[in-house]
Formats: sequence, structure tokens, C-alpha cells
Amino acid sequence: AQSVTQPDIHITVSEGASLELRCNYSYGATPYLFWYVQSPGQGLQLLLKYFSGDTLVQGIKGFEAEFKRSQSSFNLRKPSVHWSDAAEYFCAVGPLNTGFQKLVFGTGTRLLVSP
Amino acid sequence: DAGITQSPRHKVTETGTPVTLRCHQTENHRYMYWYRQDPGHGLRLIHYSYGVKDTDKGEVSDGYSVSRSKTEDFLLTLESATSSQTSVYFCAISESATSGNNEQFFGPGTRLTVL
Repeated sequence: AQSVTQPDIHITVSEGASLELRCNYSYGATPYLFWYVQSPGQGLQLLLKYFSGDTLVQGIKGFEAEFKRSQSSFNLRKPSVHWSDAAEYFCAVGPLNTGFQKLVFGTGTRLLVSP
Repeated sequence: DAGITQSPRHKVTETGTPVTLRCHQTENHRYMYWYRQDPGHGLRLIHYSYGVKDTDKGEVSDGYSVSRSKTEDFLLTLESATSSQTSVYFCAISESATSGNNEQFFGPGTRLTVL
């Protein structure tokens, strides 16, 4: 069965520093991959997605993610973190060409931004 | 933002009582989903719908039922609420299931407390 692992429950980054959030997936084929962000008390907002093609994907709010098939990873990066980026981040994987998309989510990584 | 509303936004109820949560969309998307979010578990799919009157179970469907009589509305019912169903419930929608437009958009959530 497909699964998503986000190994870091919490990460603290200084404002202005770079950020990398890890995501590993287990799936038999190349999946659809997503990163969502959830601010406190809010729903989830899509940051970016990967379906095929270029393995480096640009998203909103200055985020990017790189799909690495050999490592089954889809890590999220940002070169300079802002205090407003403090939130919880979820990686998700969806099936490809199975007739219906059901997303499987990781358990999330909570990002804290220190001044 | 996608036009998704959830009602109520907050509810406190007692064990054994029935509870219905409503998700309403104005996007005319075919697919609708109900998730629950719990610490340490991320988001888990409860039920989903792929059209009017067409629904199916997700990974944590026990104790829940759904109905979809109109494209825009997807109801989640807890027939007899239990304390283990205390959670935050999110509705999501997607336009497609297998094409490039299959990302899911999330509502603001309903916080349910079962005493």
C-alpha cells in the first residue's frame, strides 16, 4: 500500500534561513505528489504539485520541491524563511492512472520560525 | 479560494447523539471528500463521492455515513457519536480524478467535540 513519511515532527528555523522539509513515499509507480500548508485554525492550502516532467517544481509563496525517483523523495525547500511561513506542512501522494485519486497524507511537519 | 463552506464550524455534543456535518461547494466539482485530522495521524479519508448518489468508503469509515443528493452538498453523519470521533473534520473537492486538475481544495474545517 502507498504511504508517505515525514520524518520530522517539528522543525525550528531562524527567519531568513533556508528550509528543507523531508518527504518520502512508498508507491509502485510514479505518483502524483503534493505539498499542502495549514496555518493554525485553517484548512489546507496547496503549495505545489508534481505530475510529470521537470523534477523541480515551483509553487506559491516562494516554495519549491524536487522529485527524486531514486530516493522516493519529494522534499520541500525555501531559500529564505519568513515569520509568516510558520505553519504545518503536509506531503501527500495520489495514485496515477487508477481511475480515481485518493490522497494519502503524511503526518505533517510543524515549522516554527524564530526571530 | 475555492468556494467551499462547512457547517457548523464548531460543535460540542454528547456521546450517543447523532451529528450531521455539511459541506457545500460552489465550484461544481464532481468529487468530494471527507477527512478527519488527528494529532500524529495527519489527514485520513473517511468517505468520498464521485457524483450525485455515488459514494464509497475511505480508510476510516466505521461509524460514519455520507449522502450526496446534489452536486454541491456532501453530508457526513455520525449516527451515534463516540468520544473517539472527537476530531477536526475537513471537506475537500476536486474537479477531476486522473487528469492534471485533480488537486484537492479544502474547506475551513469543523471542530467536533464529543463529551
